[in-house]
Amino acid sequence: DIQMTQSPSTLSASVGDRVTITCRASQSISTWLAWYQQKPGKAPKLLIYAASNLESGVPSRFSGSGSGTEFTLTISSLQPDDFATYYCQQYNSYMTFGQGTKVEI
Amino acid sequence: EVQLLESGGGLVQPGGSLRLSCAASAFTFSNYAVTWVRQAPGKGLEWVSAISGSGGSTYYADSVKGRFTISRDNSKKTVYLQMNSLRAEDTAVYYCAKGVISSGYNYFDYWGQGTLVTVSS
Repeated sequence: DIQMTQSPSTLSASVGDRVTITCRASQSISTWLAWYQQKPGKAPKLLIYAASNLESGVPSRFSGSGSGTEFTLTISSLQPDDFATYYCQQYNSYMTFGQGTKVEI
Repeated sequence: EVQLLESGGGLVQPGGSLRLSCAASAFTFSNYAVTWVRQAPGKGLEWVSAISGSGGSTYYADSVKGRFTISRDNSKKTVYLQMNSLRAEDTAVYYCAKGVISSGYNYFDYWGQGTLVTVSS
């Protein structure tokens, strides 16, 4: 099974900050990686697929990069609406989520 | 607008059974895989099971293999998750989500609102 490890688990930031979240896979997954945003009591929302492709309608301040085993999600200038929990998900072999990164004030 | 609507959650005793449904609309249902993802209270997302668009291929997480069965009825645009031998650790909100291709491993572009399953005596 492929394990996904995110860091940090919690991130304290301010509006306007540049934020980077890392996701590491236990084995190479090429670019078969997606990122989601989840707010309390709501379903996850797709942000990025294939490691670096922005889903339609997602603000351009979100970007993704990486391949193989190491990936990053970057928010270039944090907005009030971005305070949420972020999950990576691999789909190279079955499907696995990371444990999540909570972005808080 | 694509919609997924889960139903069937509730309170069940350990060892009991429950069947969840996921009703879809506004897309060509048989062309896409559908998955179930769960989230225990205060915890992260856990992939549970997936089914191909035709229903010919199914996938399960080790934690539910042998206890849960996924199926679909394309004429009703509905996916089901039959959950047997339920345990306390199965307590979670269960989401269904639409994959972006018909088969294989997917990411998910549309999600339902979730249905809560509570396993407790």
